[in-house]
Amino acid sequence: SYELTQPPSVSVSPGQTARITCSGDALPKKYAYWYQQKSGQAPVLVIYEDSKRPSGIPERFSGSSSGTMATLTISGAQVEDEADYYCYSTDSSGNHVVFGGGTKLTVL
Amino acid sequence: QVQLVESGGGVVQPGRSLRLSCAASGFTFSSYGMHWVRQAPGKGLEWVAVISYDGSNRNYGDSVKGRFTISRDNSKNTLYLQMNSLRVEDTAVYYCAKDTNDSPGDWGQGTLVTVSS
Repeated sequence: SYELTQPPSVSVSPGQTARITCSGDALPKKYAYWYQQKSGQAPVLVIYEDSKRPSGIPERFSGSSSGTMATLTISGAQVEDEADYYCYSTDSSGNHVVFGGGTKLTVL
Repeated sequence: QVQLVESGGGVVQPGRSLRLSCAASGFTFSSYGMHWVRQAPGKGLEWVAVISYDGSNRNYGDSVKGRFTISRDNSKNTLYLQMNSLRVEDTAVYYCAKDTNDSPGDWGQGTLVTVSS
């Protein structure tokens, strides 16, 4: 089965840049999507198709993808960005849809 | 605005069945694919299933294939998840989500399913 691999945790101080990675063999051919989930809430899509930002998502959130790795970057992370972040994509056939294991971002 | 409201969760014994519903409003339901995603207590997100806008195409995660069935009634703006042969490991919050750009875009608040004897 297909897997997306994320680091379990990332920690930054307020105002610093946070980078969360997601690796998967099919990422050179398939888009990555990123979700933010705050404690007790439903997930929110923050990046789609590798680098596009939905309306209402702050500009400090950006995404990129190169080779087998996609990256979510939060420039000038704020305390309210503290959450779990998940990447999402499919295998090369498009038939196996998966989330990464999630990364807990701590901002303090 | 998009509103998705899940219902039908509860406590069920292993081996039994349960049907979840997701009532949609605020968008043209019949024009969008829909997803189910679940999250076990304290764990990460797990994609469960997707159905195309007209119900003609469906895809399932490996862990539920053959046991769960996703369906929709466009006349009622409602998405369903029929869950058979439930296992303890199916215990989770189940979210429905509207497909946006080939991914779960807008999400409901979820309904809790607990499988326990």
